[in-house]
Amino acid sequence: QSVLTQPPSVSGAPGQRVTISCTGSSSNIGAGYDVHWYQQLPGTAPKLLIYGNNNRPSGVPDRFSGSKSGTSASLAITGLQAEDEADYYCQSYDISLSGYDYVFGSGTTVTVL
Amino acid sequence: EVQLLESGGGLVQPGGSLRLSCAASGFTFSNYAMNWVRQAPGKGLEWVAMIHGSSGTTYYAHSVGGRFTISRDNSKSTLYLQMNSLRADDTAVYYCVKLIDGTIFDYWGQGTLVTVSS
Repeated sequence: QSVLTQPPSVSGAPGQRVTISCTGSSSNIGAGYDVHWYQQLPGTAPKLLIYGNNNRPSGVPDRFSGSKSGTSASLAITGLQAEDEADYYCQSYDISLSGYDYVFGSGTTVTVL
Repeated sequence: EVQLLESGGGLVQPGGSLRLSCAASGFTFSNYAMNWVRQAPGKGLEWVAMIHGSSGTTYYAHSVGGRFTISRDNSKSTLYLQMNSLRADDTAVYYCVKLIDGTIFDYWGQGTLVTVSS
């Protein structure tokens, strides 16, 4: 069971806007740790998509954006394109009684209709 | 260009051992913390272990502590993961991942598959 909760799937037509939520707790996102997002195209390794809640690495299209509030974060894809079909994972840092951990969300599959 | 190339995966029996390697290039290896992250078939991502760049300090996920050992050879720009007492639930693709700013996994290798089965 993942520490960060994401919806299993979201879908949208080309050109539409979709959002993916990432819900954490007071020991990770709510503790002030940044949220990062990764895109995993079918059969490939994950790739950094958004870092520091809302920053895009060089080469990532500006139709991808991130936000964070309280114990949650969101990834938005505007102007959805066929090549955006992939799995998306959020990631943060967690401090609990058992120690420090890098934690990932459960993953969300984006389908372009 | 940053490149991370894993090797050493394969089929191993339960209770067995395996050593993964990751050859890094395109950056000053010793300056960065490195990680192993795994993904079981059809499942999500799970952080496994981290090692700091110069100090060599290590951290492990609870699921592998005491069985796995992460290490590095900065002179060879190579990261390792020694896996002992392997179990069926260790079956996964293991990714070598570079870390920046303490929490960002900025570059990932292509992964190497470890299958634990009799």
